[in-house]
Amino acid sequence: DSGVTQTPKHLITATGQRVTLRCSPRSGDLSVYWYQQSLDQGLQFLIQYYNGEERAKGNILERFSAQQFPDLHSELNLSSLELGDSALYFCASSVEGAPYGYTFGSGTRLTVV
Amino acid sequence: GESVGLHLPTLSVQEGDNSIINCAYSNSASDYFIWYKQESGKGPQFIIDIRSNMDKRQGQRVTVLLNKTVKHLSLQIAATQPGDSAVYFCAEASGNTPLVFGKGTRLSVIA
Repeated sequence: DSGVTQTPKHLITATGQRVTLRCSPRSGDLSVYWYQQSLDQGLQFLIQYYNGEERAKGNILERFSAQQFPDLHSELNLSSLELGDSALYFCASSVEGAPYGYTFGSGTRLTVV
Repeated sequence: GESVGLHLPTLSVQEGDNSIINCAYSNSASDYFIWYKQESGKGPQFIIDIRSNMDKRQGQRVTVLLNKTVKHLSLQIAATQPGDSAVYFCAEASGNTPLVFGKGTRLSVIA
C-alpha cells in the first residue's frame, strides 16, 4: 500500500456521461498530480494541485476538470466522455510542490463504451 | 492482473544476469531524473532518482547513470530476478515542473 488511495478501481460508463475520480494523498503530502495512461501514450501529465491551489496544467482537455479540497483529497471530473477517454488514471502525491519522488496510487481504470 | 498494453520496447534477460534499460531525454534544462517500475495492475513504484549534479547513484541492486552530454539515462539492475519483470519508466523534471515520463521499456526475466 503506497498510502495514496484512489477510488473507484474500475469504472465502466457510456459515451456522453460524466464521472468523478477520487484521490486521497499520502498523509502529510500537500501536492496532488493527475496522470492519464492510455495505450501507446505512456503517462501523460494532466494537472497538479498544491495545498488547494492549481499549480500546473498539462494536456488536460476542456471536458476535464479537477479540484483539491481543504482536507487535501482531490477529484478529477471527466465529462462528455468519448471512447478515447478510456485509460488508466493515476494520482500521485508529494510533500512539497516539487516533483521529487512522488508516490502513485494504484489507479482507476476507466472504460467508456 | 491488468496489462498496460503499451507497444513498448522489450528487454528479455536471463535470471541472474544484469539488465540495462536505457532512456533518452530531450530537455537539456532537466535537472532531476527518476526511474519507476510498474507491475501489471499496479501504479508506478519509485526505484531510484538522481539530480543533474551527479552522474551516478547506487541503490540496492540498482544503479542509475546520467550522461548530460548526450542526454542519456540508464538503469542497471544487478542479478535480475523474476520479480523484476515489469515496465520501467524514466521521467525528468526541470525545477518544480511536474515529471515528464518516457514511453517505458518492458523487462521480461526468463527463469
